[in-house]
Amino acid sequence: DIQMTQSPSSLSASVGDRVTITCRASETISVYLNWYQQKPGKAPNLLIYAASTLQSGVPSRFSGSGSGTDFTLTISNLQPEDFATYYCQQSYTTRVTFGGGTKIEIK
Amino acid sequence: QVQLVESGGGVVQPGRSLRLSCVASGFSFNTYAIHWVRQAPGKGLEWVALMWHDDVSQYYADSVKGRFTVSRDKSKNTLSLQMNSLRAEDTAVYYCVRASRLKFGGDAFDIWGQGTVVTVTS
Repeated sequence: DIQMTQSPSSLSASVGDRVTITCRASETISVYLNWYQQKPGKAPNLLIYAASTLQSGVPSRFSGSGSGTDFTLTISNLQPEDFATYYCQQSYTTRVTFGGGTKIEIK
Repeated sequence: QVQLVESGGGVVQPGRSLRLSCVASGFSFNTYAIHWVRQAPGKGLEWVALMWHDDVSQYYADSVKGRFTVSRDKSKNTLSLQMNSLRAEDTAVYYCVRASRLKFGGDAFDIWGQGTVVTVTS
């Protein structure tokens, strides 16, 4: 199975900050990379698919980039509702795999 | 309203069985692949199983292969996950998830159920 490594595992940030999360695949996955946001007690929510395409209804302060093995999720102008845990996921293979998650906490 | 609703979770002893159900509404259930994803307490997301829309192709994580089985009842818009020989490490919230195929390949998990809690304990 393809291993997905996210970094950092957690970070502290303030409202208005620009935050970047990275995700690395153990082998090339083209652009078959999705990002999800999860808030406590809730199911994950799709933010970005195919590495850089924003899901309908997701604010434009979220953006994604990358291809091959290295990907980033950037949140510009962090808002109070963005404090959550973020997961990357590869869908290059049928047996999809997730990164370990990045928790964004309030500084 | 497009949604997935899971049920069937509960507390069960190690070695016993449990059957989860996922009922779909608001979309053409039979044309989508449906996955099960779980999340152990305080942990990340773990993919568990997949049923293709053809109802023939099934895939499982190594951690559940041979113990879990997915099945689909198209007449009831329902996907089931039969879990046998349960272990303590199967304790988790189990999510039923719709996968939308992207135009140039790959899937995105765009609809998630609310989850159902499975606790395996003696």
